[in-house]
Amino acid sequence: EVQLVQSGAEVKKPGESLKISCKGSGYSFTSYWIGWVRQMPGKGLEWMGIIYPGDSDTRYSPSFQGQVTISADKSISTAYLQWSSLKASDTAMYYCARHADTCDAFDIWGQGTMVTVSS
Amino acid sequence: SYELTQPPSVSVSPGQTARITCSADALPKQYAYWYQQKPGQAPVLVIYKDSERPSGIPERFSGSSSGTTVTLTISGVQAEDEADYYCQSADSSGTWVFGGGTKLTVL
Repeated sequence: EVQLVQSGAEVKKPGESLKISCKGSGYSFTSYWIGWVRQMPGKGLEWMGIIYPGDSDTRYSPSFQGQVTISADKSISTAYLQWSSLKASDTAMYYCARHADTCDAFDIWGQGTMVTVSS
Repeated sequence: SYELTQPPSVSVSPGQTARITCSADALPKQYAYWYQQKPGQAPVLVIYKDSERPSGIPERFSGSSSGTTVTLTISGVQAEDEADYYCQSADSSGTWVFGGGTKLTVL
């Protein structure tokens, strides 16, 4: 079964760092782009960026460039989203999703990781 | 920056046809994609490349395009179709954007 499994919910304080993960299985992890999508409480989806684990080619939305870092470790089929200094406004659900060339869209989604930043 | 505009809400009665539009603010328009998100769940792709339907998606879901506007049509709406719907497209730099989302209410 093709799936993306994300790390569990996190509760952090402002200024702390964080790295959440997204592990792919059931397919060739290095052959598909993995994207990250933010959904703030009660709000819509926001495309953050995308990485190709095969060569770590990474693209960011201008809105998130410099705010987060997307990376991948192809040896363990895992993509990451990290923050060096969290803000309360980073509180959101974060989804990873596989981008398939066949449909040129996000065809498989992770279950989401809820990040809460509060003092 | 590239923007996609959707109506905040659409309401229809069961069995009727729901149409959700998504307008791009720039030309040339890229392909559009549609996702359905039910409360507490991850999004699901329902239409890709303007009008293609992934396997497993009911035939009542269809998509069309005209100029810089794309439309998701749900024919014979069922109660289970009540959800938020998001369009997505790419800009010329290879980054992607979502529309603001449309809440479909089945009366």
